[in-house]
Amino acid sequence: QSALTQPPSASGSPGQSVTISCTGTSSDIGGYNYVSWYQQHPGKAPKLMIYEVTKRPSGVPGRFSGSKSANTASLTVSGLQAEDEADYYCSSYAGSGNVLFGGGTKLTVL
Amino acid sequence: EVQLVESGGDLAQPGGSLRLSCAASGLSSSNYALTWVRQSPGKGLEWLSGISSDGGSKNYADSVKGRFTISRDNSKNMLYLQMNSLRVEDTAVYYCTRGLKWFDPWGQGTLVTVSS
Repeated sequence: QSALTQPPSASGSPGQSVTISCTGTSSDIGGYNYVSWYQQHPGKAPKLMIYEVTKRPSGVPGRFSGSKSANTASLTVSGLQAEDEADYYCSSYAGSGNVLFGGGTKLTVL
Repeated sequence: EVQLVESGGDLAQPGGSLRLSCAASGLSSSNYALTWVRQSPGKGLEWLSGISSDGGSKNYADSVKGRFTISRDNSKNMLYLQMNSLRVEDTAVYYCTRGLKWFDPWGQGTLVTVSS
């Protein structure tokens, strides 16, 4: 199975909103509501930001939101802050116990 | 607080073997599924293998199927990854994490380098 497709980079100024897309197929993103998003700062472990498409774990700011339409999921970061600069990875359950990750998007806060 | 701590990463030769361990604290691991994910230097995340809470169900990515074996010892709150027939392309930081379909929290990772 192929990895999910993410843009390699995204950027925005402080206070702005930015949306990162994650494209899969009907066998993964389109077939299950198990899309998750992870934030990774350099040299650190990934951190769960969104699970089950739209849910936010306790402690994750409300500026982070997730959505899905057909085979494409999206992560929106509103009110960008400097500390949001990081790599972001999407993930989706793909059936039969398998999971796919996206290639990652480097978010730059200008 | 739930904490996962990996160990066992090392330098190995192509064709060699390593066993990674992951110690879980702050939770009874017998109540949770666990997963291994790796990240090659400068690259993205790659799902490797997941195991159910009782160890009865295991799944593997095609890239490691037949070479890697996931296991757990709930009496010790430990997760393992036995890696055989290692290849240069297995060089990566290996993370253990809780869950099967989404993952939280993650350990700090352990580095495996495969080189002659």
